[in-house]
Amino acid sequence: GQNIDQPTEMTATEGAIVQINCTYQTSGFNGLFWYQQHAGEAPTFLSYNVLDGLEEKGRFSSFLSRSKGYSYLLLKELQMKDSASYLCAVRDGGFQKLVFGTGTRLLVSP
Amino acid sequence: DGGITQSPKYLFRKEGQNVTLSCEQNLNHDAMYWYRQDPGQGLRLIYYSQIVNDFQKGDIAEGYSVSREKKESFPLTVTSAQKNPTAFYLCASSPGQLWTEAFFGQGTRLTVV
Repeated sequence: GQNIDQPTEMTATEGAIVQINCTYQTSGFNGLFWYQQHAGEAPTFLSYNVLDGLEEKGRFSSFLSRSKGYSYLLLKELQMKDSASYLCAVRDGGFQKLVFGTGTRLLVSP
Repeated sequence: DGGITQSPKYLFRKEGQNVTLSCEQNLNHDAMYWYRQDPGQGLRLIYYSQIVNDFQKGDIAEGYSVSREKKESFPLTVTSAQKNPTAFYLCASSPGQLWTEAFFGQGTRLTVV
């Protein structure tokens, strides 16, 4: 089976940096994904990690440690529009399906 | 433009009725997925299909059925056996092996009254 854990909710201030953690336990691992989802909308892809280390893409970075079953999403220079849910998902190696955590709702205040 | 289309965006049905949600993609993707999302929750996998004429149950398949007769289409039927069908339903697709991104439709919000 698979288990993916994220904090339920986080708050931060505009212009600040926030780190959203994700821990996972899987029977097979073939990549970790981060998606952003605004209320009532479809998730949009942010990042993909399959090897250990940091992937940077503009204001967003994602880190993976496979030995620890751990990832984080780092958001810099927060903007109000970053208020959304952030979903961590793991691809099951055997079946190529994507399994999601419950998501972290981020509230950015002025 | 390539993408995934779900229809309708909002759907209301009476309790006890079956209802079918449409999902069509023109990305030439092999795999397609159906997820359910409840308020404040993450996405839970209902069914997925890796190739035409083949599909597998996800974590919450009870009360749902699917078909995959064409590569482009993966309709989901919510049957009367589904005890709590009111939810936000998302369809997604991905290419074959070693894909690095799954693409989502805009979702269908189903309300059963």
